[in-house]
Amino acid sequence: DAGVIQSPRHEVTEMGQEVTLRCKPISGHNSLFWYRQTMMRGLELLIYFNNNVPIDDSGMPEDRFSAKMPNASFSTLKIQPSEPRDSAVYFCASSSDGGASNQPQHFGDGTRLSIL
Amino acid sequence: QKEVEQDPGPLSVPEGAIVSLNCTYSNSAFQYFMWYRQYSRKGPELLMYTYSSGNKEDGRFTAQVDKSSKYISLFIRDSQPSDSATYLCAMSLSNFGNEKLTFGTGTRLTIIP
Repeated sequence: DAGVIQSPRHEVTEMGQEVTLRCKPISGHNSLFWYRQTMMRGLELLIYFNNNVPIDDSGMPEDRFSAKMPNASFSTLKIQPSEPRDSAVYFCASSSDGGASNQPQHFGDGTRLSIL
Repeated sequence: QKEVEQDPGPLSVPEGAIVSLNCTYSNSAFQYFMWYRQYSRKGPELLMYTYSSGNKEDGRFTAQVDKSSKYISLFIRDSQPSDSATYLCAMSLSNFGNEKLTFGTGTRLTIIP
């Protein structure tokens, strides 16, 4: 089975440019999460969706960040305009809430973002 | 103060040694406690989880939770070079599958052959 697929794997761009990160969750999963990982702050939740609806976006740092999930198989995280402090590894994860048992969040391999 | 504190290491031990990894937390409402393993340039993968206080064993790995002390541990017995990775503790209020996870910063572990 294909896992969570993220693209691009690496992105280097200049300050002020728009950045779009993409995620394809595991087929059949109905929850999707965007995390950011830095050395100083570790792994932090930015936003998550359930059945394509944003549930908690309290971790989105500011208005420069936006996320969408237009359908069950695709999500984007956009940064506009980008700043050097946005440099980090961004992870997407998905899970299924089917049944009574806990199903783990499955992570993609991340997008390593560098803003110059 | 962060909700979850974890010693970042790095931690280097010889092959075969027992490894102890720990986290402390401040939110007494956390119910599920998880350990994730992350290899270099990969996403985290769930190693094991525990509900509330107690111990759980899975092969060479044992997770312990002491809610009274707000302290969790992961023990690795007979450590192998393939265990070399960053270990992240994570916690959630209820169903950890589809709600927010709060992570520690991770401990980088190296097992020396």
